[in-house]
Amino acid sequence: RKEVEQDPGPFNVPEGATVAFNCTYSNSASQSFFWYRQDCRKEPKLLMSVYSSGNEDGRFTAQLNRASQYISLLIRDSKLSDSATYLCVVNGGNYQLIWGAGTKLIIKP
Amino acid sequence: DAGVIQSPRHEVTEMGQEVTLRCKPISGHNSLFWYRQTMMRGLELLIYFNNNVPIDDSGMPEDRFSAKMPNASFSTLKIQPSEPRDSAVYFCASSLAASWETQYFGPGTRLLVL
Repeated sequence: RKEVEQDPGPFNVPEGATVAFNCTYSNSASQSFFWYRQDCRKEPKLLMSVYSSGNEDGRFTAQLNRASQYISLLIRDSKLSDSATYLCVVNGGNYQLIWGAGTKLIIKP
Repeated sequence: DAGVIQSPRHEVTEMGQEVTLRCKPISGHNSLFWYRQTMMRGLELLIYFNNNVPIDDSGMPEDRFSAKMPNASFSTLKIQPSEPRDSAVYFCASSLAASWETQYFGPGTRLLVL
């Protein structure tokens, strides 16, 4: 089993819709979690951290479920510019981030 | 402000040749990470430095790979000799050690070994 698993997609979503995807992690001792975004042929960029209480940044909401060992990302009122690959990342300790393979999101007009 | 700078942006070489990738981290950042990304394996950490000192190189594929950080503003990743399976995008990222999880990536070097 991979340490961090994501549905590769692609998720094809009409503009303005709400989309959500999950990521599961295997190490129950993991303490911190992140979503990074990677545009096609670009570098990953931090989108948001995921806190135990959940957190929201504009149209984006991240949630953590420790009991089931998954984190989620919800995007409301999706924009064409949201099209990207979303990488789920878990703190693996010792300065190591464990990266999921990413979920590809395509927003269609 | 300048972000992480990597050079070259693209490199095409023949099998057996030496390849040197370069990285300039964000000024003031004291942690530096080298990653490799492929379709098959995703993003893999190769090595990271704290205060110019290599801390963990367990991700380096084999002896053909080496990395150095002679000072706080420069790092290199060298592959000698290169092989076709080394073809990938190589990213350099930097961070403050205190918030190392927030990593700032360079634009990457796309390496193709023929």
